[in-house]
Amino acid sequence: ETGVTQTPRHLVMGMTNKKSLKCEQHLGHNAMYWYKQSAKKPLELMFVYNFKEQTENNSVPSRFSPECPNSSHLFLHLHTLQPEDSALYLCASSQDNSGGLPGYEQYFGPGTRLTVT
Amino acid sequence: GQNIDQPTEMTATEGAIVQINCTYQTSGFNGLFWYQQHAGEAPTFLSYNVLDGLEEKGRFSSFLSRSKGYSYLLLKELQMKDSASYLCAVLDSNYQLIWGAGTKLIIKP
Repeated sequence: ETGVTQTPRHLVMGMTNKKSLKCEQHLGHNAMYWYKQSAKKPLELMFVYNFKEQTENNSVPSRFSPECPNSSHLFLHLHTLQPEDSALYLCASSQDNSGGLPGYEQYFGPGTRLTVT
Repeated sequence: GQNIDQPTEMTATEGAIVQINCTYQTSGFNGLFWYQQHAGEAPTFLSYNVLDGLEEKGRFSSFLSRSKGYSYLLLKELQMKDSASYLCAVLDSNYQLIWGAGTKLIIKP
């Protein structure tokens, strides 16, 4: 595997279900991100992890719970979601989040298309 | 507030040239990125500008004017495979990426 992988690619879940999204990066990066992408809207940054520590939580509802066990893996645990949470969830990684280039460009996974019924 | 503006949709002809504009108002500036995103796929990095001027990379060029809060992506010799959304993003003073909503580019034969 190369780059950034995400599983599952598609997920349909009811509002009472609990599911998890998984992201893995094979690039040796130290920063990982979760984004929400809705149609015709800017990418919404949800969470940032830098060297396994959460450095950003953009007022995301508690029904989304991230987990970063190591620099290569990132999870997004979902529970009691709402229909408006249906979107494409993108994971990305970068060399670090300290701001210096080279290395700040983010590499994205293919995303998980989530539908909440 | 922070804001990135780019056109929602543009149409161009195969073989032609198209310029996609991006204007921004952010708290601080540490560079501007352009990404390409084909439908159903991940965004992929195209370019990064932090100094004023034009950066050329093959058929794609990116321009930045910091004083005007303005950038454009120039695509030459358009090919059908260039049909995609083009996302503009600015790195603000906190090194957070602020994203535009993207410009959907439609290429016609």
